[in-house]
Formats: sequence, structure tokens, C-alpha cells
Amino acid sequence: SQQGEEDPQALSIQEGENATMNCSYKTSINNLQWYRQNSGRGLVHLILIRSNEREKHSGRLRVTLDTSKKSSSLLITASRAADTASYFCATEQLDSSYKLIFGSGTRLLVRP
Amino acid sequence: DAGVTQSPTHLIKTRGQHVTLRCSPISGHKSVSWYQQVLGQGPQFIFQYYEKEERGRGNFPDRFSARQFPNYSSELNVNALLLGDSALYLCASSLVNGGNTEAFFGQGTRLTVV
Repeated sequence: SQQGEEDPQALSIQEGENATMNCSYKTSINNLQWYRQNSGRGLVHLILIRSNEREKHSGRLRVTLDTSKKSSSLLITASRAADTASYFCATEQLDSSYKLIFGSGTRLLVRP
Repeated sequence: DAGVTQSPTHLIKTRGQHVTLRCSPISGHKSVSWYQQVLGQGPQFIFQYYEKEERGRGNFPDRFSARQFPNYSSELNVNALLLGDSALYLCASSLVNGGNTEAFFGQGTRLTVV
């Protein structure tokens, strides 16, 4: 079974707008990671946020983590058509750090 | 630098057959993991190998097996294929076993069982 639930399942925005995706998880974690997947191919690592961190930035990406609510959000600012993809959160749990547990993903469509 | 490479990229097999998928990790990475991604879902963990030993196994039947070689490359084997085994199989490598390290994924092998 999958650890995370992502919200929304699908998101359609205009180029230039911001996109926000949310992820909730169930158990204590070492870290939470966000990945992008284009057209059902490989996953591209976007950002890793550790359990003792609350916010992290990378370029146009901003990730927050609230361990008390067991939730995270990914914000993509000034979106581009090339950002169209599926986005997944994945958690590394405290008691099983050898694996990542993925959410169900958010499909993002950025309209030119 | 080469990323994680997987072969083949696509594969069509018949029910009951056996399949072997291959993965070469990033140079210097000693940990290799395998994931199965069914259409419309997130990847599900199958196996993790570190330093040629199995360190973790997901909730998959014994028809699934894997191994890691001295050069840290890995094979995933699936016996007695079922239609439900049709999926994208992803390999990921990382420097160490867990410990807040990034996992880098290959492009995957698309397996279709007919």
C-alpha cells in the first residue's frame, strides 16, 4: 500500500501561474522527497527535505514540511509549459530507511 | 557522467514466461533499488540491495527475485509472468543505504505481458 496521498490528483493552470501540490503521509519519516515524471518514463529528483527542516528552496521550487500534520507542499512558481508532468512525493520512513514510499501523484498540465 | 541505465527499454512477454531486467547504477553508487509502477499509480518498492546483499523486500510474491553483482549492477527476475505484472519497472541507485541520500532513477523498462 502507498504511504502518501497527494492532492489534487490533477491540476491545470496557465503558463506563468503558480502551481501548488500537497502530500500527506502516515508514519514518522527521515525525509520527504519530490520527484517529477514525464510521460511515464523515469523519475527526476527535484528536492529532499529532512524531517528537521521546515522549508527548502531550489530555483522556482519551494517545499514545506509540517511533521506535526504529516504533510508537505510543493510550490512551482511562474510555471512553464515544460513543467507539465506528474509529480510524486516519496517518504523515507524512520523504521525502514532502505525504501521510499510514494504517493499517488499529481498530474500537472501547464497551458501555453 | 552516465546516469542510471536500464535495459531493455521495452519488452513484450507471454503469460507464464520469465523475464530478466538489468540496471547499471551511477558510478560509485553501491545501493540499487527496484520499483514497480502500474499505470496511473506511484512506484511501489520491490527490493533494495546494498553491497551485494538484500537489505529490504517489498510485498511481492516469490516469483520476483533480484541480485546485485560485484560491480554493483543488478538484475530483477520475474518468473511465471502474469498479466498483472505489466508495468514500468524502475531502478534507482544511491550512494549509501538510506540515510537522507537522494535516489536517482533510470528511465525504466516497460514490460507488457500478453
